[in-house]
Amino acid sequence: SQKIEQNSEALNIQEGKTATLTCNYTNYSPAYLQWYRQDPGRGPVFLLLIRENEKEKRKERLKVTFDTTLKQSLFHITASQPADSATYLCALSYTGRRALTFGSGTRLQVQP
Amino acid sequence: EAGVTQFPSHSVIEKGQTVTLRCDPISGHDNLYWYRRVMGKEIKFLLHFVKESKQDESGMPNNRFLAERTGGTYSTLKVQPAELEDSGVYFCASSQITGGGNTIYFGEGSWLTVV
Repeated sequence: SQKIEQNSEALNIQEGKTATLTCNYTNYSPAYLQWYRQDPGRGPVFLLLIRENEKEKRKERLKVTFDTTLKQSLFHITASQPADSATYLCALSYTGRRALTFGSGTRLQVQP
Repeated sequence: EAGVTQFPSHSVIEKGQTVTLRCDPISGHDNLYWYRRVMGKEIKFLLHFVKESKQDESGMPNNRFLAERTGGTYSTLKVQPAELEDSGVYFCASSQITGGGNTIYFGEGSWLTVV
């Protein structure tokens, strides 16, 4: 079955720096790869979606890359702010099936 | 516009009792999903409705779980009888019926503790 690996250790960075989070998966490549933000006690909030035939997607300070050869997605937050502190989840879905397979998430802490 | 709403937000029940969780999706969203996160694990898919039909229920753990979506609007997830391992947070989500890769909106979750 598909496994998704996200760094379980928290990522601590200084305000203003770029945060880079990694999502690795095994087996077959998904049709879609999504990134979500989750704050404590809240539900996941959709951030970005990238398709298997896309290499990169941007939205404001966010950038996602998708390398199907490496089976990896990188999620970047540029000019990070303390308000970006949260857990970020990677999720995959496949053609013909809407179910998302989630990673366990990486907690990001941006220090002022 | 109201988001996905879930009720109750928290529930504590004894082992063997029944609990019913409710989800109201965003108005006009035909797709409705249930997910859950048990302690220390990642969020896992339970099932997917398109309107009132179960499209995919491959994630339902066992027959103690029953999901319904009568009329294609709100949905309920009943756990009967509840076991200790059912404790966790149950998320409902919804999306419009479009091509693949549409945005999925999650509710805040229903936190279930079975004691």
